[in-house]
Amino acid sequence: EVQLVESGGGLVQPGGSLRLSCAASGFTFSTYWMTWVRQAPGKGLEWVAYIKGDGTDENYVDSVKGRFTISTDNAKNSLYLQMNSLRADDTAVYYCVREPRQLANWGRGTLVTVSS
Amino acid sequence: DVVMTQSPLSLPVTLGQPASISCRSSQSLVHSNGNTYLGWVQQRPGQSPRRLIYEVSKRDSGVPDRFSGSGSGTDFTLKISRVEAEDFGVYYCLQGTHWPFTFGPGTKVNIQ
Repeated sequence: EVQLVESGGGLVQPGGSLRLSCAASGFTFSTYWMTWVRQAPGKGLEWVAYIKGDGTDENYVDSVKGRFTISTDNAKNSLYLQMNSLRADDTAVYYCVREPRQLANWGRGTLVTVSS
Repeated sequence: DVVMTQSPLSLPVTLGQPASISCRSSQSLVHSNGNTYLGWVQQRPGQSPRRLIYEVSKRDSGVPDRFSGSGSGTDFTLKISRVEAEDFGVYYCLQGTHWPFTFGPGTKVNIQ
């Protein structure tokens, strides 16, 4: 069974940094593309970034380019999202999802709150 | 960016009756590899989204066969043949053809 478990969310001040993690199990992690999708409170869904399983290709939505970095550690079957220069509009639940084009499996999400 | 629109945004339904949600994209979702990356996810209150349909009409394992997807190019539809109580929630269409991939605004299905 595919499992995706996010962690690392919390309360951070504007301009601060946070690193999200996603522990994956139940599939061969290195062979799949992975993505982060976020949902602001009471709002819809938004893709944030995706990465190829071997780390050789990645892309970001314009609003996070230059501030967020997606990465993987295949030895740990883990996906990460390093978030710098956080803004209030980054406040959201962040979901780790397998297969960016297809969104096959979702984690439960981790809440990031950017506020002073 | 590809804009995804859905209608209606709110859908009151009666148990046992059919329901339909329309999704339109601002440009064709046919990828250069011939696939059409149009999917549907369901989100129940307090839960993470769950995929129901991918590549227009392919249903995930475990998804009841009362759910079906159809369409092509820029016009797509999600149908529920007979609504059950567990079907309430918000339904989002999504496109995974053109980056940045985008979601529709969501359709809230309310059980009457």
